[in-house]
Amino acid sequence: EIVLTQSPGTLSLSPGERATLSCRASQSVTGSYLAWYQQKPGQAPRLLIYGASTRATDIPDRFTGSGSGADFTLTISRLEPEDFAVYYCQQYGNSPQTFGQGTRVEIK
Amino acid sequence: EVQLVESGGGLVKPGGSLRLACAASGFTFSSYTMNWVRQAPGKGLEWVSSIGAGGTFIYYADSVKGRFTISRDNAQNSLYLQMNSLRAEDTALYYCARDHFHTVTTGFYNYWGHGALVTVSS
Repeated sequence: EIVLTQSPGTLSLSPGERATLSCRASQSVTGSYLAWYQQKPGQAPRLLIYGASTRATDIPDRFTGSGSGADFTLTISRLEPEDFAVYYCQQYGNSPQTFGQGTRVEIK
Repeated sequence: EVQLVESGGGLVKPGGSLRLACAASGFTFSSYTMNWVRQAPGKGLEWVSSIGAGGTFIYYADSVKGRFTISRDNAQNSLYLQMNSLRAEDTALYYCARDHFHTVTTGFYNYWGHGALVTVSS
C-alpha cells in the first residue's frame, strides 16, 4: 500500500499569499494518478486536481498541481478567503487507492 | 444537477449491522463506478469500497473485507453498503462518491454526498 505523507501539517498564511502544499508517496505513483481535494468544515471533499496537474471543472486557475513519480505539489498562487480549508492528496494509480493525512491552510 | 443522498446511518453496538443507502439523481447512474469513502471524526479520508457500473467489479479496503458488502441497483439508481460485525474503529461519516468519468473506472471522485454518520459504541 502506498503511504502518502503531506507537509506541512498546518500552513498559516494571509490572504493574497502563495501556498505550497507537498504530497510525498512511499513509492512512485503509477501514471502520476494523483488527485487533490479541498474540504471545508461540515462539507464533503471537493475535487480540485486530477492526473497530478489537470484542474477539475470550475476550479480557478490559482490552483496548480505539479509533480511526478513520488513527489507532488499543490500551489495556490494567491489565497482567497474561501481557500482556507484542509487539503488532501489521493493516489489512485496503485491498489488500494490511498489518501494523505491532510494539510490545513489557516488564516494567519 | 447531480445529487447523492446517503441514508441509514445511526448508533449500533459492536458486532452489530447496519445498511447504508445512497440515492443518486441527475446523471446516468448505470454508467458510473460508485464508491464509499469514510472519515472518522476529526480524521482524514479512507477509501472503503468501489463497485463498477455493471456491478461486476467490486473492491474493498482490507480493513472492511469480509465484513462489508457493496451493491447497487441500477434500476433504482441506488448504491448500498451492508456493514456487518461492526467495530468501534468503523465509527465515521460514510460518503457516497461518484467516479469522475463514465464507462471507465478512474478512482477519483467529482461528486460526493453529504455523508451518513455511523457510530459504533456500546
